[in-house]
Amino acid sequence: NAGVTQTPKFQVLKTGQSMTLQCAQDMNHEYMSWYRQDPGMGLRLIHYSVGAGITDQGEVPNGYNVSRSTTEDFPLRLLSAAPSQTSVYFCASSLSPGVTQYFGPGTRLLVL
Amino acid sequence: SQQGEEDPQALSIQEGENATMNCSYKTSINNLQWYRQNSGRGLVHLILIRSNEREKHSGRLRVTLDTSKKSSSLLITASRAADTASYFCATDGIIGYSTLTFGKGTMLLVSP
Repeated sequence: NAGVTQTPKFQVLKTGQSMTLQCAQDMNHEYMSWYRQDPGMGLRLIHYSVGAGITDQGEVPNGYNVSRSTTEDFPLRLLSAAPSQTSVYFCASSLSPGVTQYFGPGTRLLVL
Repeated sequence: SQQGEEDPQALSIQEGENATMNCSYKTSINNLQWYRQNSGRGLVHLILIRSNEREKHSGRLRVTLDTSKKSSSLLITASRAADTASYFCATDGIIGYSTLTFGKGTMLLVSP
């Protein structure tokens, strides 16, 4: 099993550009989440999904969209990138509520 | 807002010594988890302790949970240089039922 994969590993954007961060898991997990990690801030939840077709907002959802058309994939879309979105983004999945989450390797995003 | 808060923010010890990190949280939880993050990598799950448990062991790791004080501690015994990483506690439940809320982490440096 590949576990949780994320692409790209690194990305540089200009202010106003849009892009999609990809996340896929091959563990048949229903629950998937997106976090951003900023220095000294820990991880903050952006959006999460409890199954295909069902998504909800986390702590910091503004500027981001998600969709969940399949169990395996959970892409995160930046609609109009801003320098404040410079961060490291992690995708995670888990089998059921409140148990171990499996993290991807992260995507480092720089918005100029 | 952050549910868990780790203490200390940073800890520097010698190989062979024990390392203790603490986590405090604010609201009732179902379980508390500890994760490790090596520099530039994703998070890796270490241990989960349920609200009805008081202590749990896994190899050189010992976790305690005091729900009356809303606090947990992670003890790493006989530390090794490879234990150098950031350690995060995570609690469930305040945003949806399938997500975790992370603290800001403790950076542990183990010197040879």
